[in-house]
Amino acid sequence: GAVVSQHPSRVICKSGTSVKIECRSLDFQATTMFWYRQFPKQSLMLMATSNEGSKATYEQGVEKDKFLINHASLTLSTLTVASAHPEDSSFYICSARWVAGGNTGELFFGEGSRLTVL
Amino acid sequence: GDSVTQMEGPVTLSEEAFLTINCTYTATGYPSLFWYVQYPGEGLQLLLKATKADDKGSNKGFEATYRKETTSFHLEKGSVQVSDSAVYFCALSSPAQKLVFGQGTRLTINP
Repeated sequence: GAVVSQHPSRVICKSGTSVKIECRSLDFQATTMFWYRQFPKQSLMLMATSNEGSKATYEQGVEKDKFLINHASLTLSTLTVASAHPEDSSFYICSARWVAGGNTGELFFGEGSRLTVL
Repeated sequence: GDSVTQMEGPVTLSEEAFLTINCTYTATGYPSLFWYVQYPGEGLQLLLKATKADDKGSNKGFEATYRKETTSFHLEKGSVQVSDSAVYFCALSSPAQKLVFGQGTRLTINP
């Protein structure tokens, strides 16, 4: 299947710093990528839909000034957590839709990035 | 809005036991349904899917049938292995092509 890679897999930072997480589709082009947040022992919460060449669409309750999403190319989307605080500590997962998958909604997921803010 | 409800975990079974993880959904229209699996320390992987009513998805010995009349997509396996220990997520694709996930069910298989 298609491969989606996230980097870094783990990051620890001090409160107040900004952290960038990259999501790459390695062997296909993805016009749409999605960013999820997963709290411990909970389900995935969709944060935003990232569209190549346009602004991201954020879900209700997600601060777009805190979670900055850029989708500059067909194979790369980035999530920047601005001025991170301990409550932003979480597991962030990206996914990309493989166009050849048709309209079934099948997505391919990255390995996830665990952010710990001290 | 669309939603998915899974049976609460954790679920602990012995090897070779029969597994059922219940999943029901609420949706407008006719969504596609999925089961994803997350092994320890890894990202999500698609386990199986079904795109229309009465479809049966199957993979690695797991099966799930899309039941429109009961709005269910229960995951089953006849004989589980220790390597099946993971978190399982039921999901549907909304009309906006977004995935809506259930809360996940942690499965532990003891030898």
